[in-house]
Amino acid sequence: KAGVTQTPRYLIKTRGQQVTLSCSPISGHRSVSWYQQTPGQGLQFLFEYFSETQRNKGNFPGRFSGRQFSNSRSEMNVSTLELGDSALYLCASSRDLFTEAFFGQGTRLTVV
Amino acid sequence: QKEVEQNSGPLSVPEGAIASLNCTYSDRGSQSFFWYRQYSGKSPELIMFIYSNGDKEDGRFTAQLNKASQYVSLLIRDSQPSDSATYLCAVNTGLTGGGNKLTFGTGTQLKVEL
Repeated sequence: KAGVTQTPRYLIKTRGQQVTLSCSPISGHRSVSWYQQTPGQGLQFLFEYFSETQRNKGNFPGRFSGRQFSNSRSEMNVSTLELGDSALYLCASSRDLFTEAFFGQGTRLTVV
Repeated sequence: QKEVEQNSGPLSVPEGAIASLNCTYSDRGSQSFFWYRQYSGKSPELIMFIYSNGDKEDGRFTAQLNKASQYVSLLIRDSQPSDSATYLCAVNTGLTGGGNKLTFGTGTQLKVEL
């Protein structure tokens, strides 16, 4: 059974640019959540999608957005990148509400 | 008060010993609880998932949940050097009718010494 797949694994971007990250959940899982991990703030929740609808959102600025497609694949977008956006971005796949959550390998974003 | 609290460690145990990791949470409505293991530079790996009061065992790992005390723990028996990692406690603080939202503790660094 394939796990959660995130692409790309590594990205280097310049301040002011935008970036799109992709997450393919485990087959049959309809919930995809996104998290940001930094050494200073730890793991923080960005947002969650289920059946193409955003059900939950964390305390991040509007520059962070996401969407989910009918096949449950999800993308997150960060516009007008700042140096502080450098982080490991993780997505988690769950079958439904309050069920097990499995993480992908993450995308390491570096903003220079 | 932080929503999910863990001791940051490091917690050092000798090889073969039992490692005990603890976590408290503030949201009484939380319904599911997770322990993840994270090696440096890697993504979190799900070790245990528990949602009912009591103990849940899986191999060398036992998770214990006490909702009345808002406490969840992880016991690792026969600790091995390969268990050396950061252990993250996570609580699903999403709401019924809402969506999933995992809130994480800061993690406990475990070192298993030869």
